[in-house]
Amino acid sequence: EAGVTQFPSHSVIEKGQTVTLRCDPISGHDNLYWYRRVMGKEIKFLLHFVKESKQDESGMPNNRFLAERTGGTYSTLKVQPAELEDSGVYFCASSQELGGTNEKLFFGSGTQLSVL
Amino acid sequence: AQTVTQSQPEMSVQEAETVTLSCTYDTSENNYYLFWYKQPPSRQMILVIRQEAYKQQNATENRFSVNFQKAAKSFSLKISDSQLGDTAMYFCASMNQAGTALIFGKGTTLSVSS
Repeated sequence: EAGVTQFPSHSVIEKGQTVTLRCDPISGHDNLYWYRRVMGKEIKFLLHFVKESKQDESGMPNNRFLAERTGGTYSTLKVQPAELEDSGVYFCASSQELGGTNEKLFFGSGTQLSVL
Repeated sequence: AQTVTQSQPEMSVQEAETVTLSCTYDTSENNYYLFWYKQPPSRQMILVIRQEAYKQQNATENRFSVNFQKAAKSFSLKISDSQLGDTAMYFCASMNQAGTALIFGKGTTLSVSS
């Protein structure tokens, strides 16, 4: 079974440019999450999709970040315009069930974003 | 708000020895879940072990076990018979029952040497 895949694995852009990160969850997983780890800090929740709907986007830092999940399959996270403080590793995760005793999040390998 | 604290930025251990990684948390939830994730150099986050807060019995997965102290809000990870492949960053995390988001600690970098 294919795991959660993220593309690209690395991205280096200049301040002010736009970057789009992509996440393909495990097939059949309705729940999709975005997390971010800024250097030296905790991994922070960004948002949660259930199918194509945003269930919780309380972690989105500001309106320069836009996440979509059209059709409830893969998701994109666009940063426009990128700022220096956006640098970090962006993780995507998916799960089949929400909460409950079988709750398991499967993570991708992340996208390392460097804004220069 | 939920918080997770890992007080050990780095730990080292020799092969075959046992190491314990500390984690404390704070939550107002009655039912919640606790996790340890491992992030090796490949960067893929891998679930090591999970614990349901309503279960008193400590979770175990082969060489990995936890010491869950609910009253003290402590959730330490014990790795027995450490192997070189255990070298990774380990994250402690909590999740509420609704399963809406994980709260992570800052991580502990574990180095296993021969």
